[in-house]
Amino acid sequence: KAGVTQTPRYLIKTRGQQVTLSCSPISGHRSVSWYQQTPGQGLQFLFEYFSETQRNKGNFPGRFSGRQFSNSRSEMNVSTLELGDSALYLCASTHVGTEQYFGPGTRLTVT
Amino acid sequence: QKEVEQDPGPLSVPEGAIVSLNCTYSNSAFQYFMWYRQYSRKGPELLMYTYSSGNKEDGRFTAQVDKSSKYISLFIRDSQPSDSATYLCAMKRSGGGADGLTFGKGTHLIIQP
Repeated sequence: KAGVTQTPRYLIKTRGQQVTLSCSPISGHRSVSWYQQTPGQGLQFLFEYFSETQRNKGNFPGRFSGRQFSNSRSEMNVSTLELGDSALYLCASTHVGTEQYFGPGTRLTVT
Repeated sequence: QKEVEQDPGPLSVPEGAIVSLNCTYSNSAFQYFMWYRQYSRKGPELLMYTYSSGNKEDGRFTAQVDKSSKYISLFIRDSQPSDSATYLCAMKRSGGGADGLTFGKGTHLIIQP
């Protein structure tokens, strides 16, 4: 079974721009979670979607948003990019239990 | 105080040694505990998953949870150079997918050939 896929893998943006990242979960998994990983803060939870509904959200500003489609694929959007948004953005999918399986991540660099 | 504390290392041990990795936490509501391995520039890979207190063994890996002490451990037996990676502990309050994971910052492990 194919794992979690994320596109693009690398991205360079300028301050003030917006960006959209995509995640395709493992086939049959309906829950998708997003995390931000930085050297200073480590891995931090952004939000979680299940059946196209956001069920939980971490402590991030409203510039960070997401959505999920009927096929369980998910996108996250960051508007008005700041230098501090440079990070590895990770998507994880879950079937019915607690185990979360991560994709390879999208490395975003904001200049 | 952060909810989950983990020594960042680096922890360097010779090949074949037993490795002990640990995390402490402050939130007594955590019930589900996980260990992930992350190689450089890759996503985290789930190694072990434990519910509540107790031990769980899978091959060379053993996970221990002591909820009374708010302390979890991962032991790696017969360590190999390929085990060199960052090991992240993670935990959550409830089952299902809605509750996000709370991670430690990770311990960088180096296995010397």
